[in-house]
Amino acid sequence: KAGVTQTPRYLIKTRGQQVTLSCSPISGHRSVSWYQQTPGQGLQFLFEYFSETQRNKGNFPGRFSGRQFSNSRSEMNVSTLELGDSALYLCASSLVRQGTEAFFGQGTRLTVV
Amino acid sequence: DAKTTQPTSMDCAEGRAANLPCNHSTISGNEYVYWYRQIHSQGPQYIIHGLKNNETNEMASLIITEDRKSSTLILPHATLRDTAVYYCMGRGYSGAGSYQLTFGKGTKLSVIP
Repeated sequence: KAGVTQTPRYLIKTRGQQVTLSCSPISGHRSVSWYQQTPGQGLQFLFEYFSETQRNKGNFPGRFSGRQFSNSRSEMNVSTLELGDSALYLCASSLVRQGTEAFFGQGTRLTVV
Repeated sequence: DAKTTQPTSMDCAEGRAANLPCNHSTISGNEYVYWYRQIHSQGPQYIIHGLKNNETNEMASLIITEDRKSSTLILPHATLRDTAVYYCMGRGYSGAGSYQLTFGKGTKLSVIP
């Protein structure tokens, strides 16, 4: 079956702009989580959605937001982009069940200039 | 989630078994031990997970100590394609659909020809 799909794969934006990234989970997976990866900070948890509700949020400013749709697809938005937002943004999906694994997409590489 | 400790780097000869240790002494009773790996700039790849019994799949084996304070990931016949950063982590279920993964710095495994 199809894996987690993230679009776009690459993006270049200018400081001050906003950006929306998309994630389509594996069919049947209802939990979607987002991560930011930078060389300095490694992989950091952004937030997680299940049943269109944010269940958990990492330590990121309010410029980072997300949502989940009824078909479990998720988007994340970053407003007022800063140079430090340049990163690989990863999405993972999983079943809502204890002891289940999460599967990651290939990520969106965002460059802010 | 449990705090984990892994060696920063390891080398392994091609064709030999790679044994990657992880200390997770603070793991709680309902947290599973998960292993992921990441090849440069790709999304993390799920390898294996377990609660207290040893587990094996087509990729690797997971040995968890009886007290659950540490585990070892075993790649039985390492190939050059196994060169990656390997992450060990605990992942619990809060009952509210929250499945945050907390990534440490991982172990950079280099498979040597």
